Amino acid sequence: GAVVSQHPSRVICKSGTSVKIECRSLDFQATTMFWYRQFPKQSLMLMATSNEGSKATYEQGVEKDKFLINHASLTLSTLTVTSAHPEDSSFYICSARDQSPRELFFGEGSRLTVL
Amino acid sequence: DAKTTQPTSMDCAEGRAANLPCNHSTISGNEYVYWYRQIHSQGPQYIIHGLKNNETNEMASLIITEDRKSSTLILPHATLRDTAVYYCIVFAGGDSSYKLIFGSGTRLLVRP
Repeated sequence: GAVVSQHPSRVICKSGTSVKIECRSLDFQATTMFWYRQFPKQSLMLMATSNEGSKATYEQGVEKDKFLINHASLTLSTLTVTSAHPEDSSFYICSARDQSPRELFFGEGSRLTVL
Repeated sequence: DAKTTQPTSMDCAEGRAANLPCNHSTISGNEYVYWYRQIHSQGPQYIIHGLKNNETNEMASLIITEDRKSSTLILPHATLRDTAVYYCIVFAGGDSSYKLIFGSGTRLLVRP
């Protein structure tokens, strides 16, 4: 079946640095990708929706200058956490939709720890 | 806001069927019902989805009521490895602006 791969799976960085997380669809073209963050014992919270070739749509309360999303191709979307701080530490998950509207796949998640 | 409501937690005995309910009373005609589960520190795993007919695959069965306002995920013979958080989601993939919102899910504990 289709696979969505995230990289890195774990990252530890110092406060003030920027971190990029990649989300790739391995055997299908993803016209839409969703980015989520998840805190311990909580559900997935939608951060933004990105469509290939256009700007991402951010959810209320999510700073677009803080969380830069680029969906430059049909197989790759990136989330960059800029000037990361300890409160940005979280589990980030991407989801990708195939061109067939019923196919929806999730990545393995990326755990960010900001020291 | 999430379009689904689920019980916070459930438990069942190993080897027995686990029946997880989901309410989606405001579902639209073009929205599918999807079920995923999440094991600690992993991404959600696809289980099954349906529109209006009941569905079955190697993992589970999905029963959707005739009015489509609720559904039940059935794990026919639960094992300890089925302990996870189960999410019921409605999704209309044909709309590129559609938001995929998660509810709080059901935490299923399978007891030995």
